[in-house]
Amino acid sequence: EPEVTQTPSHQVTQMGQEVILRCVPISNHLYFYWYRQILGQKVEFLVSFYNNEISEKSEIFDDQFSVERPDGSNFTLKIRSTKLEDSAMYFCASNEGLPEQYFGPGTRLTVT
Amino acid sequence: RKEVEQDPGPFNVPEGATVAFNCTYSNSASQSFFWYRQDCRKEPKLLMSVYSSGNEDGRFTAQLNRASQYISLLIRDSKLSDSATYLCVAFYNQGGKLIFGQGTELSVKP
Repeated sequence: EPEVTQTPSHQVTQMGQEVILRCVPISNHLYFYWYRQILGQKVEFLVSFYNNEISEKSEIFDDQFSVERPDGSNFTLKIRSTKLEDSAMYFCASNEGLPEQYFGPGTRLTVT
Repeated sequence: RKEVEQDPGPFNVPEGATVAFNCTYSNSASQSFFWYRQDCRKEPKLLMSVYSSGNEDGRFTAQLNRASQYISLLIRDSKLSDSATYLCVAFYNQGGKLIFGQGTELSVKP
């Protein structure tokens, strides 16, 4: 069964550093998403992406965040200058246009 | 008011019990609803989609009441493997985003 994959599984970085989280969505999917979940809190929407453009972004997704589909398979989330409060699980999701979204295993980001 | 609100839990039930979770949503523009399950520190996994008046899948039944903006999930004959956090989720056409509730923790004991 095809699945969304994410790398790395765990990333530790120092405050102020840039990080790039990588995702490989399911191959025939056209819509891509990033969500985050701070420990003990609910899953929060960050951004949706379709046809090489951002479709929607939340208030959390400020100028420090960017997304890119650099080739036909990868979908990345970049945080330019990490803050302590960026520590969270980051989940990538994809779908082919139906509402149901399928999530990757997540990247645990720890900012020290 | 939270966009998607769930029972706080946790629910501790014996194997074989029937358990029901409730969820309310505040934005009537929501088109579709889902129940996802999340195991500890893992990704949300789609359990059921909830369309129109609801649907059933084996031991699981989901109901939607648009007038009351209320969604429920019923689990019959609960198994140890049902222990997880159950997430009530609303879908918005604009941007295709999912809005999650806080989740309700279920623990099924032998």
